[in-house]
Amino acid sequence: AQSVSQHNHHVILSEAASLELGCNYSYGGTVNLFWYVQYPGQHLQLLLKYFSGDPLVKGIKGFEAEFIKSKFSFNLRKPSVQWSDTAEYFCAAVNTGGFKTIFGAGTRLFVKA
Amino acid sequence: KAGVTQTPRYLIKTRGQQVTLSCSPISGHRSVSWYQQTPGQGLQFLFEYFSETQRNKGNFPGRFSGRQFSNSRSEMNVSTLELGDSALYLCASSLTSTETQYFGPGTRLLVL
Repeated sequence: AQSVSQHNHHVILSEAASLELGCNYSYGGTVNLFWYVQYPGQHLQLLLKYFSGDPLVKGIKGFEAEFIKSKFSFNLRKPSVQWSDTAEYFCAAVNTGGFKTIFGAGTRLFVKA
Repeated sequence: KAGVTQTPRYLIKTRGQQVTLSCSPISGHRSVSWYQQTPGQGLQFLFEYFSETQRNKGNFPGRFSGRQFSNSRSEMNVSTLELGDSALYLCASSLTSTETQYFGPGTRLLVL
């Protein structure tokens, strides 16, 4: 069955710390991968996406993610977090020929000022 | 360009009632997906519509249904509400189902 797993449900970091959020997917075939973010009181919005090409993709606000096909992973990274990065982060995947996007359970990140 | 809108924003219902939620996608987007969001469960896929056709459905009981109109606006209906249906229901639109999704603010449903 198709699934997306996020390793951490809650992460607490201090400002300037580095961040890595894990995401693994279980899919057959080619997939499009996404990270979405939900800031407090705001809509879910796209952080970055991978469709093809360079497996290291850059998104908004200094975030990046690396697609490792052999590990079925798409981990999110940021070298130095800010208090404003406090939010919930969701990894998502969809088959390139599919109609159903599967989301992970989400990771709540709290950054201490 | 106007974003995805959802109405109503909040609803309180009692068990056994039914509810209809509405979603207006971004102009030009023909794919509309619905999700149920609950704490700790993330977003659970309900269904996806494209050009008035339901192309996929998640693992939800038949009490959950939806439709899409010719202008791409979509509705979802939940009949015979149960306490466990309390959740945030999100609608997302996109050009196609594999592209970036743009989310609405959601409808928060509370079933008493």
